[in-house]
Formats: sequence, structure tokens, C-alpha cells
Amino acid sequence: GQQLNQSPQSMFIQEGEDVSMNCTSSSIFNTWLWYKQDPGEGPVLLIALYKAGELTSNGRLTAQFGITRKDSFLNISASIPSDVGIYFCAGQPVAQKLVFGQGTRLTINP
Amino acid sequence: NAGVTQTPKFQVLKTGQSMTLQCAQDMNHNSMYWYRQDPGMGLRLIYYSASEGTTDKGEVPNGYNVSRLNKREFSLRLESAAPSQTSVYFCASKRFAGQASNQPQHFGDGTRLSIL
Repeated sequence: GQQLNQSPQSMFIQEGEDVSMNCTSSSIFNTWLWYKQDPGEGPVLLIALYKAGELTSNGRLTAQFGITRKDSFLNISASIPSDVGIYFCAGQPVAQKLVFGQGTRLTINP
Repeated sequence: NAGVTQTPKFQVLKTGQSMTLQCAQDMNHNSMYWYRQDPGMGLRLIYYSASEGTTDKGEVPNGYNVSRLNKREFSLRLESAAPSQTSVYFCASKRFAGQASNQPQHFGDGTRLSIL
């Protein structure tokens, strides 16, 4: 099946640091989504990207749809304790089902 | 705003028992999905329903059945539970019919299922 590689798998950072994570695919996608999952809850949509090259911000979060349509990244600036959680990318190949990355677990030391 | 509601939140079953997981959405969405989440594997699609009256297999359908009861409700049934089905199950919905539509999915809070 479709493969999405998300990295890193986990991050341990200090409060206030910036965070960067990315997803890559061997296939072309026409949608990239970034979700955050808190413990005991379902994924919540952070940012949706629908066009190659698109750069979208949501507060301290910024995500980009790669020009090649095979990758996307998510940046978090000036991390705070509530940023802790698991971040998932999800991509949709042309006319196919949504595919999820394995997740990036973010831990923040105060 | 309720969004997507899943019941129960937790369940423990014995091998061979049957169980139905319930999902309801109040956003008037057309399409609904069932995923399972296992450590290190992200979310994998079990079944989906593009619209009321239709259901289709996803990536990992074996051992499961679904029913799209009406536009609001989409249930997932385990006829004979196996330990390999221990997982967290998420229901999701999306406004427009069909996976190809560029709309984000909205998720419930999950059902944590353990099978002994």
C-alpha cells in the first residue's frame, strides 16, 4: 500500500525551542493535512494544504506543501508545554484514500 | 459542539466475543470512516462509507463489518474478537462524499479496545 515516511519519530526539546518535522512520499499527493493528538483523544486538524508550494500558518505553527508534491513539513516556533503530543501528517494521493504517517511524539522539558 | 461521538470509550472483551462500536456525527457530513491506531503505525483505514447506504473496504478490513445506519451513524462490528484486534479505534467524518474530495476529516475521541 501507500507509504508515508514521517520523521523524526520522537523529539525531546526544551521549552522555547523551535520544532521541525516532515513527511515524504514516493507518490504525488494532492492534499496534505497535519493533525495533533493529545493523550486519550482523537486527532485534531491543525493545518490543511491543498496546493503545491502553499505555505500556511496557524498561530505558532507553519506548514508547507512541497513543490514536488511528495513532501510536507510542519514547524512550531517557540514551543510551550501544551505543544506536547503526537503530530501526524496525512496525505491524499490523487483519487485515492487518505494515508497517515507514523506520527512524531513531541516531549518538552520545561 | 459534539462533532463526532464514539461509544464506548473503553471495552475489554474475551477472545471470541462480539462487539459493536458506535459512532455518530452531528455535522451533516456525508462520508464516515473507521480507523485503528496501533503503536508506531499511525492510523489505518478499516472501512469507510462515502454516503448513506454505501460502504467500502479500507486497508485492513478483515475481521470487521460495518453498517451505515443513517446519515449520522456508522457502526463497526467485531463478530469474533481476536487479540490482534486490540487497538484504539477512531471514527471520522468528512463533509463531502468520497475520499478524493479535498476536505479534512474530523475525528472522535476513540474507543480503547482490549481483547484477552
